[in-house]
Amino acid sequence: DAGVIQSPRHEVTEMGQEVTLRCKPISGHNSLFWYRQTMMRGLELLIYFNNNVPIDDSGMPEDRFSAKMPNASFSTLKIQPSEPRDSAVYFCASSFRQGRSEKLFFGSGTQLSVL
Amino acid sequence: DQQVKQNSPSLSVQEGRISILNCDYTNSMFDYFLWYKKYPAEGPTFLISISSIKDKNEDGRFTVFLNKSAKHLSLHIVPSQPGDSAVYFCAASGSKAAGNKLTFGGGTRVLVKP
Repeated sequence: DAGVIQSPRHEVTEMGQEVTLRCKPISGHNSLFWYRQTMMRGLELLIYFNNNVPIDDSGMPEDRFSAKMPNASFSTLKIQPSEPRDSAVYFCASSFRQGRSEKLFFGSGTQLSVL
Repeated sequence: DQQVKQNSPSLSVQEGRISILNCDYTNSMFDYFLWYKKYPAEGPTFLISISSIKDKNEDGRFTVFLNKSAKHLSLHIVPSQPGDSAVYFCAASGSKAAGNKLTFGGGTRVLVKP
């Protein structure tokens, strides 16, 4: 299995531009998570989906952020318009929820720089 | 409000010695705890976990200890190896706390010196 695949690996954009991050979860996993890593806040959960349905988006910073999961094999995180404070590493993770096991499998992340 | 805290941002240890990483949590609803390891330019990878019904779980060189009354857990790495140099994240989840989502600590960077 190729694991969780994120694209792009690096994104450099200018303030005000729209940014779209993409994620392909591991086949067969039924939960998908978007995390953001910053020096100040560590790894923070932005949103997660169960069976393609958003369950908890309380971590989404503001309305500029949106996430979709149109099917079991694809998810996007969009920032519009982007701001310099959005610069961070964004991770996508997936899991197969079985009992209480919460073992997440992470992608390699997207390093976002907003200038 | 940080529900999971790792108060030591970094740790340096000699190869062969023990590494001890600490983690504190505030939410009494948490009942499942995990440690993840992260190398630069990679995503975190699962290392070891423990349920609140246990106070210790061991896997090779890695042992996690849980003290529920103190809301504290620790990760012991014995013996430490240079390949263990990474950032370690503590994480917690609770069946009654917003749907089993994982809450992570800020991470501890471990450097194992040869």
